[in-house]
Amino acid sequence: DGGITQSPKYLFRKEGQNVTLSCEQNLNHDAMYWYRQDPGQGLRLIYYSQIVNDFQKGDIAEGYSVSREKKESFPLTVTSAQKNPTAFYLCASSTVTDTQYFGPGTRLTVL
Amino acid sequence: QKEVEQNSGPLSVPEGAIASLNCTYSDRGSQSFFWYRQYSGKSPELIMSIYSNGDKEDGRFTAQLNKASQYVSLLIRDSQPSDSATYLCAVLYGATNKLIFGTGTLLAVQP
Repeated sequence: DGGITQSPKYLFRKEGQNVTLSCEQNLNHDAMYWYRQDPGQGLRLIYYSQIVNDFQKGDIAEGYSVSREKKESFPLTVTSAQKNPTAFYLCASSTVTDTQYFGPGTRLTVL
Repeated sequence: QKEVEQNSGPLSVPEGAIASLNCTYSDRGSQSFFWYRQYSGKSPELIMSIYSNGDKEDGRFTAQLNKASQYVSLLIRDSQPSDSATYLCAVLYGATNKLIFGTGTLLAVQP
């Protein structure tokens, strides 16, 4: 069953904590992306990666970090430096120049 | 001017009517355009992609692209209550190869 999985579905973070969101795909896509969605706003790009062991900052990378050690996996860490992390986080993948497909998302709430 | 602009709505149409959703973009070099549907609390799912001027039909959905006027639209024929969702327009910007999203139009189909 091909697709993109994200875990957990819901995540609660205490202030000062780092948390890691998982994203896995078995579509054999080279490119993977992380977006953040806030109410009433469009999707904003956090980080993206077009090849293993390489990634680039998006428009709102401050307070986030990523790794791309395997083609299938692109985890996102929300660090304590991110002052307003409560949002809906979406992972997507694509062939490098084609349509992006989204995972089901992780909803992060700061307690 | 926003990079990708959509009327936030809500757009309310009666069941069985045609819903027309519009999107304008600022980058003349863009070549790829996408419509995603997003139900409340869920992740975006691809409905249509369009790359050439003119119309592209898929079932009840028709995407229309006019590069000279820098707009792309989505028509939904025979609208159903299950079509009620937020529709996101996305444009692949030629200069950066990044997918830029509009803030979405909320469609409400009244039974």
